[in-house]
Amino acid sequence: NAGVTQTPKFQVLKTGQSMTLQCAQDMNHEYMSWYRQDPGMGLRLIHYSVGAGITDQGEVPNGYNVSRSTTEDFPLRLLSAAPSQTSVYFCASSYSHRDEQFFGPGTRLTVL
Amino acid sequence: GENVGLHLPTLSVQEGDNSIINCAYSNSASDYFIWYKQESGKGPQFIIDIRSNMDKRQGQRVTVLLNKTVKHLSLQIAATQPGDSAVYFCAERAFNAGKSTFGDGTTLTVKP
Repeated sequence: NAGVTQTPKFQVLKTGQSMTLQCAQDMNHEYMSWYRQDPGMGLRLIHYSVGAGITDQGEVPNGYNVSRSTTEDFPLRLLSAAPSQTSVYFCASSYSHRDEQFFGPGTRLTVL
Repeated sequence: GENVGLHLPTLSVQEGDNSIINCAYSNSASDYFIWYKQESGKGPQFIIDIRSNMDKRQGQRVTVLLNKTVKHLSLQIAATQPGDSAVYFCAERAFNAGKSTFGDGTTLTVKP
């Protein structure tokens, strides 16, 4: 199994640009989530999904959209990038919200 | 909102000593707790978990203790090694919550 994969590893955007961060898992996990991690801080939940077709907001959802059309994929869309969105983004998955999460390697995003 | 936090942001120990990393939580509905380890440039990795019907759980060189009375969680690492140097996060989930809450993390440095 590849586990949780994320692409790209690094990305630089200009203010106002849009992009999609990709996340995929091959463990047939129902639960997937997106976090952002700022320097010296913990993980803050952006959006999560308890299964295909179901998504919900976390604690910092503004400026981000998600969809879950398949069990495997959970892309995160930045609608209009802002410098405040400069961060490292982690995708995670688990069998359910009651189980340990498996994290991807992260995407380091810089918005100029 | 509910808070999950760690008592100390940094901890430095000598190689071979035991390490204790602490975490306090405030959500009395939390019934599932996880410790993650994050090495530099990588995503968090599951170490050990404990459910609220237990006070103690042991893994290989690691022990998690849960004190529900004072809402306190600790991670003990025996015979700490240089490879244990990382940031350690605790996370908690409530039974009826679809998401985890992470603390800010403790940076463990192991001196040779």
